[in-house]
Amino acid sequence: GIQVEQSPPDLILQEGANSTLRCNFSDSVNNLQWFHQNPWGQLINLFYIPSGTKQNGRLSATTVATERYSLLYISSSQTTDSGVYFCALVNSGYSTLTFGKGTMLLVSP
Amino acid sequence: DAGVIQSPRHEVTEMGQEVTLRCKPISGHDYLFWYRQTMMRGLELLIYFNNNVPIDDSGMPEDRFSAKMPNASFSTLKIQPSEPRDSAVYFCASSSGTGRSPLHFGNGTRLTVT
Repeated sequence: GIQVEQSPPDLILQEGANSTLRCNFSDSVNNLQWFHQNPWGQLINLFYIPSGTKQNGRLSATTVATERYSLLYISSSQTTDSGVYFCALVNSGYSTLTFGKGTMLLVSP
Repeated sequence: DAGVIQSPRHEVTEMGQEVTLRCKPISGHDYLFWYRQTMMRGLELLIYFNNNVPIDDSGMPEDRFSAKMPNASFSTLKIQPSEPRDSAVYFCASSSGTGRSPLHFGNGTRLTVT
């Protein structure tokens, strides 16, 4: 099956700092999503981004499908950004999401 | 849109008991997925349905697990008998198509089997 690698595995930031999370994948994809799992365990959709760039407030994401990676940018981080960020994708020709292991982010005040 | 609704939010039960988890997908979504999350294994797909029909149950760990979708607005995941190693967070998710549509998750059911 498709391989999904996320980096870094852990990240600690001071409030106000910027960060970039990366997701590398091993095959072509039909669907790529970024999720935030907050400290209460909820999985929240951030972006549906099989290609291109999208922005939502302080967050933005870029997927370069031809080079098989996606980036999630967090600017001016806040303590509420803490949690685990998952990249999940659907391999072309398949139907189901495969999740990466996630990046655990801690934003300290 | 109320989102994907799961119940109960928490379940604590004793080994050997039957456990039933419930899910109501987003109205109009024709795909429903059950995932399990543990520290060791991360997020694993257990089973998914299309138009109420199970399509792939290869992720279901063993015969103690079963899932049904009697109609478009309701699904259950049953564990009988439950074991301590079944302790995990179980998520239900739905989408309006497979592969090319975003997946929306419920808040999960945290199951503890003692």
